[in-house]
Amino acid sequence: AQTVTQSQPEMSVQEAETVTLSCTYDTSESDYYLFWYKQPPSRQMILVIRQEAYKQQNATENRFSVNFQKAAKSFSLKISDSQLGDAAMYFCAYRRVGAGSYQLTFGKGTKLSVIP
Amino acid sequence: DAGITQSPRHKVTETGTPVTLRCHQTENHRYMYWYRQDPGHGLRLIHYSYGVKDTDKGEVSDGYSVSRSKTEDFLLTLESATSSQTSVYFCATTNPQSDNSPLHFGNGTRLTVT
Repeated sequence: AQTVTQSQPEMSVQEAETVTLSCTYDTSESDYYLFWYKQPPSRQMILVIRQEAYKQQNATENRFSVNFQKAAKSFSLKISDSQLGDAAMYFCAYRRVGAGSYQLTFGKGTKLSVIP
Repeated sequence: DAGITQSPRHKVTETGTPVTLRCHQTENHRYMYWYRQDPGHGLRLIHYSYGVKDTDKGEVSDGYSVSRSKTEDFLLTLESATSSQTSVYFCATTNPQSDNSPLHFGNGTRLTVT
């Protein structure tokens, strides 16, 4: 079974600084998809960024980018120019490729605080 | 997100009582999911559905049942609620036109079993 590990239960960052959230995963598959979701205090789950394992280029969405290291099975999220609105729980998630349930397997989350 | 409505938003119930949570979507997505979120555990899959009357178990399905009689509705039932089922429950949907289609989530139901 696939597992997703987020080793940092909590992190903090100064406003306008850069922070990196870690995620590692365990799988025997060669093709898969990885996601980062943000959950602010409102409880809403918001997709931040996604990465296809067959793509070597790291995904980027505005201030959010990933460092995808397939051999190391690592998928970290970098937030640049941190803003107060970035304070949230962040979840890393994995999905297998192909027919099936299309379910996501989540890590336990990292709570990010942004210090003004 | 994706027109997903969960009801109720909050519920307090007593141990041993039956509870049904409802998820309603307006996007005609084929796949629907129920996850529970607990501190220190992230989100864990309870059950999912891949079509009307087609459901399957997730990793934490014990004590839960589901039903899907219409595309838009997915019900989660706790036949006899226990304190260990106190949690936040999320419904999610997807229509996998491509494999990297994300899950779209409702806003969750906070259930407290006393």
